[in-house]
Amino acid sequence: QKEVEQDPGPLSVPEGAIVSLNCTYSNSAFQYFMWYRQYSRKGPELLMYTYSSGNKEDGRFTAQVDKSSKYISLFIRDSQPSDSATYLCAMTGNTPLVFGKGTRLSVIA
Amino acid sequence: KAGVTQTPRYLIKTRGQQVTLSCSPISGHRSVSWYQQTPGQGLQFLFEYFSETQRNKGNFPGRFSGRQFSNSRSEMNVSTLELGDSALYLCASSLAASGRATYNEQFFGPGTRLTVL
Repeated sequence: QKEVEQDPGPLSVPEGAIVSLNCTYSNSAFQYFMWYRQYSRKGPELLMYTYSSGNKEDGRFTAQVDKSSKYISLFIRDSQPSDSATYLCAMTGNTPLVFGKGTRLSVIA
Repeated sequence: KAGVTQTPRYLIKTRGQQVTLSCSPISGHRSVSWYQQTPGQGLQFLFEYFSETQRNKGNFPGRFSGRQFSNSRSEMNVSTLELGDSALYLCASSLAASGRATYNEQFFGPGTRLTVL
């Protein structure tokens, strides 16, 4: 079992839809949970990070962490074509970052 | 503030050759991490350097090596290239080293696309 599992998609949604992206993990030592966005031919850029369990909101983006289920989510409200990218979850405890494989998202105008 | 820069951006090599990739971190950042990204395996950690010392190493063969200079710039080297080494190699810099119980944001460069023929 990989430490972090993420459905690679692709996921295609119409503009304005609510998008839900998810990751599961196996290492209970993970404490920090991050979501990165990666556009084609670019490096990943940090969207949000969350410490331990709970929710965090930033504009149209909401990150949720449920440590009891070892499950994290990223919600995108009112999705835009500019949100089309690959979304990577990442997590760490006292270790280097461990990434999911990424979910490719396309938002269709 | 300038971001993380990586050179070259694209590289084509043949099997058996060796390659050196370069990374310049954000000014003031002392930690540099290297990652390999492939469609099949995703983003995988190679190694991390902090103040010229290797702090962590991922599960890659000894053909993959790196170093960090006193100005925090880093290089990674891959010897005896194999077809499976074709990937996007990403460098990320941060203020502090990983392995501490505090959040330490990593900033990624655009990557070097290596193709091995």
